[in-house]
Amino acid sequence: QKEVEQNSGPLSVPEGAIASLNCTYSDRGSQSFFWYRQYSGKSPELIMFIYSNGDKEDGRFTAQLNKASQYVSLLIRDSQPSDSATYLCAGLNTGNQFYFGTGTSLTVIP
Amino acid sequence: EAGVVQSPRYKIIEKKQPVAFWCNPISGHNTLYWYRQNLGQGPELLIRYENEEAVDDSQLPKDRFSAERLKGVDSTLKIQPAELGDSAVYLCATGVNYGYTFGSGTRLTVV
Repeated sequence: QKEVEQNSGPLSVPEGAIASLNCTYSDRGSQSFFWYRQYSGKSPELIMFIYSNGDKEDGRFTAQLNKASQYVSLLIRDSQPSDSATYLCAGLNTGNQFYFGTGTSLTVIP
Repeated sequence: EAGVVQSPRYKIIEKKQPVAFWCNPISGHNTLYWYRQNLGQGPELLIRYENEEAVDDSQLPKDRFSAERLKGVDSTLKIQPAELGDSAVYLCATGVNYGYTFGSGTRLTVV
């Protein structure tokens, strides 16, 4: 079992819609979670991190963490074509190891 | 701030040859990771350093891979000898507490 699981997609949403990206993790002791965006041929860039249960908002992005269900999500409101990328979920487990999921490919259709 | 600097950006070598990648972290970042990313996959952890100490190298294929981090700053990752399956992007990431920053990566092609 992978430490972090993501639906690989692809996920397609129309411009202006809400994109919802989901991630589950196996190490119940993991405390911190990160969302990275990776454009084709580029390295991952950090969008948000979250370590408390509930929601964390930053502009059009909202990260959600539910530790009881071991579930992390990223919502992108008012999706733009420039949001088209692969989104990687990562967690910092109890061994202080930083593990990534396989990524979800998002396409925003103009 | 220069960011995480990696070199070379691209490397093509024949199988069985050695290859080395270099990473210069953001100043003051004590934690340094090396990852390998295959096409369509997420980054896979190879090794983690805290300052100059390799605190987690459990996933580093030690028969052919080696790494070092001199004086807790720059790091090099070496493969000797390279195999066809080593073709991937090798990423270096550094951070302090939250939010790890990646370098641009080295795309290795083994032919």
